[in-house]
Amino acid sequence: SQQGEEDPQALSIQEGENATMNCSYKTSINNLQWYRQNSGRGLVHLILIRSNEREKHSGRLRVTLDTSKKSSSLLITASRAADTASYFCAFNDYKLSFGAGTTVTVRA
Amino acid sequence: DTEVTQTPKHLVMGMTNKKSLKCEQHMGHRAMYWYKQKAKKPPELMFVYSYEKLSINESVPSRFSPECPNSSLLNLHLHALQPEDSALYLCASSYFTGQDSYEQYFGPGTRLTVT
Repeated sequence: SQQGEEDPQALSIQEGENATMNCSYKTSINNLQWYRQNSGRGLVHLILIRSNEREKHSGRLRVTLDTSKKSSSLLITASRAADTASYFCAFNDYKLSFGAGTTVTVRA
Repeated sequence: DTEVTQTPKHLVMGMTNKKSLKCEQHMGHRAMYWYKQKAKKPPELMFVYSYEKLSINESVPSRFSPECPNSSLLNLHLHALQPEDSALYLCASSYFTGQDSYEQYFGPGTRLTVT
């Protein structure tokens, strides 16, 4: 089973700026998901993008998927202090496998 | 009700103790999961239950024993743990499991410390 790679590992931005993080994987997938985890708590599902979709929006979130490059990106626009969290991509082989995560800090 | 609850929130246990973690959901989900998460790492799958039957065991040591008494409840029984088992234990549920993964709903976790 594979683990995805995410970059950057950590990201620090000013409130109001955009944050972009990337995820890469190795095998073919049916869908890719993004989750957020606030410090030491459970994960919250943000968005699911299917393999036949290229882009998806949810509020201030924009996710892209490039199956030819086996990569996805998550963009958070107009960031807020409450967006400070770790963000994980996740994809399925026989189970849901998580990327290593990107820690985002939004400075007020 | 879109919530997964876990009890206790924190647990400190000695290496000779027996304790249990509990997870509950009332969303009608038929798949439930246990994950282990170490600090600054992604969650690692331990067990998957599908329709109350154990479908995946990720080669977890036998000192961890899962149980699914009914479709809403999931337990993790702990016995003779090691200090390296200290971690955040997360429970999750989803409508179904399988290749076309559905979004998973996570509980807040149990922070376990083994002394």
